[in-house]
Amino acid sequence: GNSVTQMEGPVTLSEEAFLTINCTYTATGYPSLFWYVQYPGEGLQLLLKATKADDKGSNKGFEATYRKETTSFHLEKGSVQVSDSAVYFCALTGRGATNKLIFGTGTLLAVQP
Amino acid sequence: EPEVTQTPSHQVTQMGQEVILRCVPISNHLYFYWYRQILGQKVEFLVSFYNNEISEKSEIFDDQFSVERPDGSNFTLKIRSTKLEDSAMYFCASRDRGQNSPLHFGNGTRLTVT
Repeated sequence: GNSVTQMEGPVTLSEEAFLTINCTYTATGYPSLFWYVQYPGEGLQLLLKATKADDKGSNKGFEATYRKETTSFHLEKGSVQVSDSAVYFCALTGRGATNKLIFGTGTLLAVQP
Repeated sequence: EPEVTQTPSHQVTQMGQEVILRCVPISNHLYFYWYRQILGQKVEFLVSFYNNEISEKSEIFDDQFSVERPDGSNFTLKIRSTKLEDSAMYFCASRDRGQNSPLHFGNGTRLTVT
């Protein structure tokens, strides 16, 4: 079945450091890929998405490229801020009627000033 | 921007009691979902709902769970007889038609079963 594997956290960085959070997936067919973010005490917010191979999703300085050949969708940001501290979830949907999201385990990012 | 709203934000109940978690999806959305997140663990799919019926459910969604869309705006999750292990954050989500439309989540209801 479809699944998502994320790098384990927590990830602790200093402000302005470069961020990479790895995500790989297993899926039949051609899934859509997403990154969701969960700030402390809040719900899940869509950060970015990509719907086909080689698409790059971007938002708020974050980027991720849909790599079919490596089945990956790694999240990157060139210069993190304290306000980026949150849990980041990689997710995919298949092509079925329900399009349910399947989440990775989440990666906690802590950015220190 | 339209939001998915969930009430209450926190629900405390005793084991064996029934609880109803409420959600108001975004008004023009057609697909509705419930997910849960046990503290510190991954976000797990429970059920999806479309055209007034369940379209898919997970193994977690057993006979103790039910969903309903009683009117044109609310979407509820009922747990008939709560267990300690039902303690979790429950998220409602909705999405528009369209193969690639993303899910929009509410802020969740934290359910604590004592």
